[in-house]
Amino acid sequence: GENVEQHPSTLSVQEGDSAVIKCTYSDSASNYFPWYKQELGKRPQLIIDIRSNVGEKKDQRIAVTLNKTAKHFSLHITETQPEDSAVYFCAAPRGYALNFGKGTSLLVTP
Amino acid sequence: NAGVTQTPKFQVLKTGQSMTLQCAQDMNHEYMSWYRQDPGMGLRLIHYSVGAGITDQGEVPNGYNVSRSTTEDFPLRLLSAAPSQTSVYFCASSYSSDTQYFGPGTRLTVL
Repeated sequence: GENVEQHPSTLSVQEGDSAVIKCTYSDSASNYFPWYKQELGKRPQLIIDIRSNVGEKKDQRIAVTLNKTAKHFSLHITETQPEDSAVYFCAAPRGYALNFGKGTSLLVTP
Repeated sequence: NAGVTQTPKFQVLKTGQSMTLQCAQDMNHEYMSWYRQDPGMGLRLIHYSVGAGITDQGEVPNGYNVSRSTTEDFPLRLLSAAPSQTSVYFCASSYSSDTQYFGPGTRLTVL
C-alpha cells in the first residue's frame, strides 16, 4: 500500500515568515495529493489539493507543489499568521480512501 | 445538509465491553471511511466502503467490524474493547475517491 512520510513533525516560525512542509509517497501511480488542517479539538479540513497532471497550485497564501519524478509534494504557507497555527497532514490515495502522513505541528508566534 | 455526523461525542468503556460508533452522511456519498487518530501517529485507516454492501480493510482493522447496509450509514463496531483502542475516531465520506469530508469525531477511552 501507499506509504506517506511527512517532515518536519514540528515547525515554529515567526509571524510573517514562510512555512514549508514536505511529504514523500511510495506509489508512483498515485494521482491525488491533499493537505488537511486540523485545529485543536476539531476535525481535519481540506485546505488545498493537487492532482498529478499539474506541478503547482495556489490559493491565496497557500500553495502546493508536486514533483512526480521524485515522488514528493510540499505545502507552502506565505505571510504566516497566528491563526495558521495547527496540525497539517498530507495524504495520498489508498484504494478508495487516504493514507495520511503523521502530521506537522505548526506554531506561528507573533 | 448536516454533512457527516457521528455519535457519541465521548464514550468510556471497560475492557471487554462492546459498542458501536455511529456515522451518517446526508450528501449521498458512495465512499465512507473510518480512521483513528493517536498522538504522533496521524490518521490511520481502519475500514472503508465503496458503496452499500461493500467494505474493505484498511491499515489497522483488527478488533473492529463494519457493515454498510445503506448509503447513509457506516457504523463501526468494537467487539471486545481493549485499552489499545483508546483513541479519537473519525468517520469520513467522499463523492469520489479523493476529497474526504470528516465528521466531528468520537473520543473513546477504554479502561
